[in-house]
Amino acid sequence: QTVVTQEPSFSVSPGGTVTLTCGLSSGSVSATSHPSWYQQTPGQAPRTLIYATNIRSSGVPDRFSGSILGNKAALTITGAQADDESDYYCVLFVGSGIWVFGGGTKLTVL
Amino acid sequence: EMQLVESGGGLVQSGGSLRLSCAASGFTFNNYWMSWVRQAPGMGLEWVANIKGDGGAKYYVDSVKGRFTVSRDNAKNSVYLQMDSLGVEDTAVYYCARVSSGGALYRFDPWGQGTLVTVSS
Repeated sequence: QTVVTQEPSFSVSPGGTVTLTCGLSSGSVSATSHPSWYQQTPGQAPRTLIYATNIRSSGVPDRFSGSILGNKAALTITGAQADDESDYYCVLFVGSGIWVFGGGTKLTVL
Repeated sequence: EMQLVESGGGLVQSGGSLRLSCAASGFTFNNYWMSWVRQAPGMGLEWVANIKGDGGAKYYVDSVKGRFTVSRDNAKNSVYLQMDSLGVEDTAVYYCARVSSGGALYRFDPWGQGTLVTVSS
């Protein structure tokens, strides 16, 4: 069973930079994993931030960027703001029509 | 404006069944894969199932195989999730989402607002 790994929590200071990662329990994340990232605040549906590794969804500020770092997908927030405090989820395509979400990272801005 | 609206959630006893619906508008429905994603209380997102635009392919997470069935009616711009043999572990908010894949640039977008399914023991 494929597991997608994310840091359970992260903290960043206002104005700071943070990189969240998304890995596979076995193997490496690549462009063919079609990594995408979602932001979710309590009680709300997820919002698409990044897809196809590094493409920002419409309306997403350019302080959010995506990449592949080593064998993981990464979401970097540059110049974090208070309203970036949210849960962040990645999802990967693992083959045979199957998608797997990571467990999510709870980001605190303080 | 693209929109997805789920319905059909509610309280059901363990072992029971429920059928969720998701009505789509604002895009050419039959051109897109559709997904169901769930979120148990206080937990993360879990992909549940996908169905191809023509209904010709379906995929499920292992934990629901044989119990859940995804289907669609393109004439009604709707996708469904039939859930049988429900257990308490199926308690979650269920979201439907369009799988956008232009140029193999996959993403789950947009999302519906979700519908809550509660399974009691």
